Amino acid sequence: DAKTTQPPSMDCAEGRAANLPCNHSTISGNEYVYWYRQIHSQGPQYIIHGLKNNETNEMASLIITEDRKSSTLILPHATLRDTAVYYCIVRVAMDSSYKLIFGSGTRLLVRP
Amino acid sequence: DTGVSQDPRHKITKRGQNVTFRCDPISEHNRLYWYRQTLGQGPEFLTYFQNEAQLEKSRLLSDRFSAERPKGSFSTLEIQRTEQGDSAMYLCASSSHLAGVDNEQFFGPGTRLTVL
Repeated sequence: DAKTTQPPSMDCAEGRAANLPCNHSTISGNEYVYWYRQIHSQGPQYIIHGLKNNETNEMASLIITEDRKSSTLILPHATLRDTAVYYCIVRVAMDSSYKLIFGSGTRLLVRP
Repeated sequence: DTGVSQDPRHKITKRGQNVTFRCDPISEHNRLYWYRQTLGQGPEFLTYFQNEAQLEKSRLLSDRFSAERPKGSFSTLEIQRTEQGDSAMYLCASSSHLAGVDNEQFFGPGTRLTVL
């Protein structure tokens, strides 16, 4: 049961910021938002995650709304190598660990 | 390369045959997960091991599917009497309890199964 909704595709120009939105209106208070990306024929690659606060790392920034019903992944300076499918994910707790509930993803095309 | 590895990368089989896939997690990771990904969709959780114990199974894991992790290191996923609907990418991931609750799952490259 997908807990996230994303646009199926987006594009942006190389060197510009890519802003990928995600809706997760049914998220519970202790469930984290994760983002992974998947380049063709490879396994998903971790990007960033957060609970309530905005987060930033060397790859991206994650902006989570105050009501936690939506978030935005920001790639500040997109390159051609950022072309991939980006998954917004809700992390659900289970015995001693967690499982990732993936949505259908957004296919991002970075144009030269 | 010390990442998660999966074997084989591709498997083509006829309907009704049994298939087995192997996953080798990152060496110090005690948690191992299997996901399935059909064309155009995101991965779906199948099952989870902590060491050799299988602690969680999705209802997607029918009785034709069985997963093992006998020594708490590598894992195998077997599908018996394969059906065309089993055609998918089977992904394995691992994580370490040492990094705390917030650690990430590292995914392997997957095994693509085609059932004819």
